[in-house]
Amino acid sequence: NAGVTQTPKFRVLKTGQSMTLLCAQDMNHEYMYWYRQDPGMGLRLIHYSVGEGTTAKGEVPDGYNVSRLKKQNFLLGLESAAPSQTSVYFCASSDPRGGANTGELFFGEGSRLTVL
Amino acid sequence: DQQVKQNSPSLSVQEGRISILNCDYTNSMFDYFLWYKKYPAEGPTFLISISSIKDKNEDGRFTVFLNKSAKHLSLHIVPSQPGDSAVYFCAASVETSGSRLTFGEGTQLTVNP
Repeated sequence: NAGVTQTPKFRVLKTGQSMTLLCAQDMNHEYMYWYRQDPGMGLRLIHYSVGEGTTAKGEVPDGYNVSRLKKQNFLLGLESAAPSQTSVYFCASSDPRGGANTGELFFGEGSRLTVL
Repeated sequence: DQQVKQNSPSLSVQEGRISILNCDYTNSMFDYFLWYKKYPAEGPTFLISISSIKDKNEDGRFTVFLNKSAKHLSLHIVPSQPGDSAVYFCAASVETSGSRLTFGEGTQLTVNP
């Protein structure tokens, strides 16, 4: 049972470098999300997608881009990394089709990114 | 503006006693509330939820209480076990928002044997 898988798990970047975080889910969920977790701030929504080919901004979208070309994958890109983007990134998915929108998200294990 | 706040960064209790974790919110549009549990180096996992039409929901040792007038919810764990030691996040959503959750800062619960 893979669930939600994130790659890579760890990455160190220099300021100005670019990278992409990949999220894959095998539960056939419609909705996918990228959150970041920072000490004392909980999890904050970066971008989300309500279906293949759609994306939308969350609470803290600046400096990030996303793509959802396939239903099972949600990519998070940093075009020019900054030290403020040092964080732990979590991908999540959910399926609203099972009835009432319960808000239950299934999270990946996280990707720790350090920008020097 | 922090719409969901957990004012206690940490809580320590003895095994077998009750753990009470608190959460306050400011957005009156929130109509669904959840608690997530997170162990180190793992993603958060769903624990229990409550709709705004209820004031209590119970699942085994876990009970969530909602006081809409005070915009306050709490999670009770009885009895607490060492395996409950984790970070607990309170979250809220507007049910029509596509499961977009707003999280609190988290509370580190430590249950001592």
